[in-house]
Amino acid sequence: QVQLVESGGGVVQPGRSLRLSCAVSGFPFSSHGMHWVRQAPGKGLEWVAVIWYDGSQQYYADAVMGRFTISRDNSKDTLYLQMNSLRAEDTAIYYCTRDGYYGRRFYSDYWGQGTLVTVSS
Amino acid sequence: EIVLTQSPATLSLSPGERATLSCRASQSVSNSLAWYQQKPGQAPRLLIYDASKRATGIPARFSGSGSGTDFTLTISSLEPEDFAVYFCQQRGSWPLTFGGGTKVEI
Repeated sequence: QVQLVESGGGVVQPGRSLRLSCAVSGFPFSSHGMHWVRQAPGKGLEWVAVIWYDGSQQYYADAVMGRFTISRDNSKDTLYLQMNSLRAEDTAIYYCTRDGYYGRRFYSDYWGQGTLVTVSS
Repeated sequence: EIVLTQSPATLSLSPGERATLSCRASQSVSNSLAWYQQKPGQAPRLLIYDASKRATGIPARFSGSGSGTDFTLTISSLEPEDFAVYFCQQRGSWPLTFGGGTKVEI
């Protein structure tokens, strides 16, 4: 069955860095685009970044552009999010999601359970 | 950036009642819109894609409609397990965006 397991969250000081991982199983990872979506405590969902199935393209939300980098290792079935220059407003649960192909478009059809990142001094 | 505005923020209903949730886009997204359900402590679940198509395993009481800028999620008869928060998301252009959510409460 499809599984996405995030790790790497924790408490970090403002200005520091953190790398999140998302290990997947149950589907051909190298055939699917992947996203990071975050949710601040008690708030709504915010899309963060996407990477194409082969790593050839990435897009980012304006709020993280230039600070966060999404990447993947298809030989390890793992997605990453390198987060630099962290700010208090980056505090959130970070979810990785799989893009499923639905006719002509893609939608996030599987989500991990998330990993909590807290940015605080 | 396309802004999605969901209304109402909270919907107070009883089991068996009909729920109608709205999602309005600041510019056309064609029918590139999804609806997600999120329960406390859980990840979101895909309910509807392409504005009106039910995802695998989603009960027929959930239906979506709309295109362009105005979209609706309807739950025909609320079951106890349907009380949750619902988000819309547009896939029409980058960056992807979500609506602020509608909480359906008892």
